[in-house]
Amino acid sequence: DIQMTQSPASLSASLGETVSIECLASEGISNDLAWYQQKSGKSPQLLIYAASRLQDGVPSRFSGSGSGTRYSLKISGMQPEDEADYFCQQSYKYPLTFGSGTKLEIK
Amino acid sequence: EVQLQESGPGLVKPSQSLSLTCSVTGYSITSNYWGWIRKFPGNKMEWMGYISYSGSTSYNPSLKSRISITRDTSKNQFFLQLNSVTTEDTATYYCARESRTMGMDYWGQGVMVTVSS
Repeated sequence: DIQMTQSPASLSASLGETVSIECLASEGISNDLAWYQQKSGKSPQLLIYAASRLQDGVPSRFSGSGSGTRYSLKISGMQPEDEADYFCQQSYKYPLTFGSGTKLEIK
Repeated sequence: EVQLQESGPGLVKPSQSLSLTCSVTGYSITSNYWGWIRKFPGNKMEWMGYISYSGSTSYNPSLKSRISITRDTSKNQFFLQLNSVTTEDTATYYCARESRTMGMDYWGQGVMVTVSS
């Protein structure tokens, strides 16, 4: 299975701050990577797919980048509604696998 | 609008089978891929398997022969059965529409299942 190592496990940011979350795959995944946001008590929501494509309806302050084995999610200007858990997920090989998650809180 | 909703018992006894239904509205399950994902206490997420538009299936090898995903196209529903459950199967179970290239774009609200005697 492809292991997805996500960091940091938790993060605290001030309103307006830019934050980054990273995922490192155990092998190259050819940009087959998605990012999800999960707010407390809710189901995950797709933010980014194909490493850098913004899902319809997602604010443009979210962006994804990376290649090969290293990928990142950036939030440019933290907003109160961004407080949530974030996960990466690779779809390059089955079984699909997820990162361990990042808990993002407002400082 | 595409909507998915899981249903099923919230409590299952050890060694029994867990059975869940995902009801889909706004889109036919004879298109795309439809998956089951679970989130354990402590936040680990696990992809369990999918059923495709044609009815073919793919499962996570970690679940070995315990899992079965089936469907009823007349009701636009698909189903999860997980046999011989243990307390380690306690999790929140989600169904989702999945695509290899476009991620999992629609999810159900999730159903918490506890395995306990």
